Order: sequence, then C-alpha cells, then structure tokens
Amino acid sequence: DGGITQSPKYLFRKEGQNVTLSCEQNLNHDAMYWYRQDPGQGLRLIYYSQIVNDFQKGDIAEGYSVSREKKESFPLTVTSAQKNPTAFYLCASSIYAGGTNEQFFGPGTRLTVL
Amino acid sequence: GQNIDQPTEMTATEGAIVQINCTYQTSGFNGLFWYQQHAGEAPTFLSYNVLDGLEEKGRFSSFLSRSKGYSYLLLKELQMKDSASYLCAVGDGGATNKLIFGTGTLLAVQP
Repeated sequence: DGGITQSPKYLFRKEGQNVTLSCEQNLNHDAMYWYRQDPGQGLRLIYYSQIVNDFQKGDIAEGYSVSREKKESFPLTVTSAQKNPTAFYLCASSIYAGGTNEQFFGPGTRLTVL
Repeated sequence: GQNIDQPTEMTATEGAIVQINCTYQTSGFNGLFWYQQHAGEAPTFLSYNVLDGLEEKGRFSSFLSRSKGYSYLLLKELQMKDSASYLCAVGDGGATNKLIFGTGTLLAVQP
C-alpha cells in the first residue's frame, strides 16, 4: 500500500532536548512538507522540499531543521531553540513540486514538551 | 497579506444540508482545496476548484467565485461520521505547490 508514515504517533520530550520526527513516503512524490497545527490555528508551513538535497523555509522555520537526503524521507528536528514546540506535526507530500496539486498527509505526530 | 476566513464552528442535524463558507484574500491564486480532518487524524482531500462554478462529488459539492474570493463546501444528507473539521486551503500562486490554510470549521452533526 502506498502512503505516508510518521513516527512516533506520540512523543514526549524534556525542555532543552532536541527531537527528530520521522516522515517516510512510498508514493514516489517529488515534494514534501512539514506543517504544525495548534488549536484554533490553521496549518502553518515549517519547511518544504521540492527535490532531493534541497529544502526551503516556510513561514515558521525558526527552531526547526530538516534534511532531504532521500526522495522517500524528510525528517524534522525540533531543536531546543523552538520556544513553544508542543503541537501536532503533520508531514505531507505531493507528486509535483510546481503548479498546484493535492497534498497527501501522514497521520501526524503529537509532540508534548514536559 | 494572506488571509483565509472560515466560521469556527457549525452545528447541523443528521440528514440535513450544511454549507461551510470560506473567503480568501491572497496575493496569488492557483486553486482552492477543501480537506476533512477528524480529531487527531490526518487531513484528507475532499475537493479542488480552480475555475468558477460548482464541482459535485457524491454528497459533497464545492463552489468557487474567484472574483469574490469566495468558496463554499456543501454537504448533503449529513451523517454522524461527517462530524469533523473542514479546512479551506488556497494555492498561493507561486512556482511551488504551497498552500495557505484557514483555521478550519468544526462541524458537529447531531441526531
């Protein structure tokens, strides 16, 4: 079955720790995205990647980092510099990086900072 | 600036029809998406409009007026499982497939 997987589903971390969220897709999609979702707010774009070994900052990139070493994988690291990291994180992919086309979402990771 | 407005919450009765509105003001426009999101789950695609008019897909329809910066999602024959958040998202018109999301409308379907 093709799709997007994210792991873990729930993640707890202590303040000051870095943590990496996994995102893998087997849809052969070129583009991948990371969003953050907070109650009462829309999805906000953190980073996106149009092609392997390339990525761009979204609207709220501060305190986050990504890599895109393989087409299938786009991990997100939440660093200790992110002041309010508790949120629901969603990874998405789309077949093309250009134009406008549907984004497919993974099941999400809920991160809680203790 | 970029702005997408949707009602925060709506309530409707099982079997009825409900219309969820979305207005947008964006610097560019490459089409408008509607997604459904159940609590704690991934958004799933419902519809896409790039030209003015109505797109119908089973119980769900979506309408777009580009001149008015307006869209709506129409849900017919409501079922309890339709209780979810409905997200309006606009393609920002740039060279990349970036979407701008509204805050979502939480629909509660009551018996």
